[in-house]
Amino acid sequence: SQTIHQWPATLVQPVGSPLSLECTVEGTSNPNLYWYRQAAGRGLQLLFYSVGIGQISSEVPQNLSASRPQDRQFILSSKKLLLSDSGFYLCAWSKTGVRGYTFGSGTRLTVV
Amino acid sequence: ELKVEQNPLFLSMQEGKKNYTIYCNYSTTSDRLYWYRQDPGKSLESLFVLLSNGAVKQEGRLMASLDTKARLSTLHITAAVHDLSATYFCAVGLYSGGGADGLTFGKGTHLIIQP
Repeated sequence: SQTIHQWPATLVQPVGSPLSLECTVEGTSNPNLYWYRQAAGRGLQLLFYSVGIGQISSEVPQNLSASRPQDRQFILSSKKLLLSDSGFYLCAWSKTGVRGYTFGSGTRLTVV
Repeated sequence: ELKVEQNPLFLSMQEGKKNYTIYCNYSTTSDRLYWYRQDPGKSLESLFVLLSNGAVKQEGRLMASLDTKARLSTLHITAAVHDLSATYFCAVGLYSGGGADGLTFGKGTHLIIQP
């Protein structure tokens, strides 16, 4: 069966520090991968998606970037965090032609 | 730009008293509508995937339906019980070039069911 792992679960970082969140999927190959952000009291916003290694599409201009160095690995990064980057970050995966999404357990990021 | 609107955004009710409906309207033609549940501090749990006009799915006290012509989905709650308290999101998918299909979410309906 397929599983999705996200870490860390919680993170408190000072303004201006770098960020790296990691997401890995097991039990499938060539998944579509996504990063979403949920700001406090708000809905979920699609940040990035990827259909393959090295292929990244950005949905919203921001202080973040994403990379996909391996087929089942998706990384969310920032060089310098802003207060507005605080939120709940969710990784998700899907398969083209299979109309379902599975979400990871999320990372709660607080920028102080 | 695809817009997804949910209402109400907040719903409070007593256990077992009445039936309630959450509405989800979307602005662009789509054939895939998703309902998710989120407990406080937790990730999203998939409830229903609706893929065709007239689709109806039921799980326990929850029933979801889709009208693609009206661009409307509903999540109906029957005789609510406390463990249904959560935030419920609808989300709509649109194909983008290449096969990835990012979701656009509604703002969520915060449901509180009091014993």
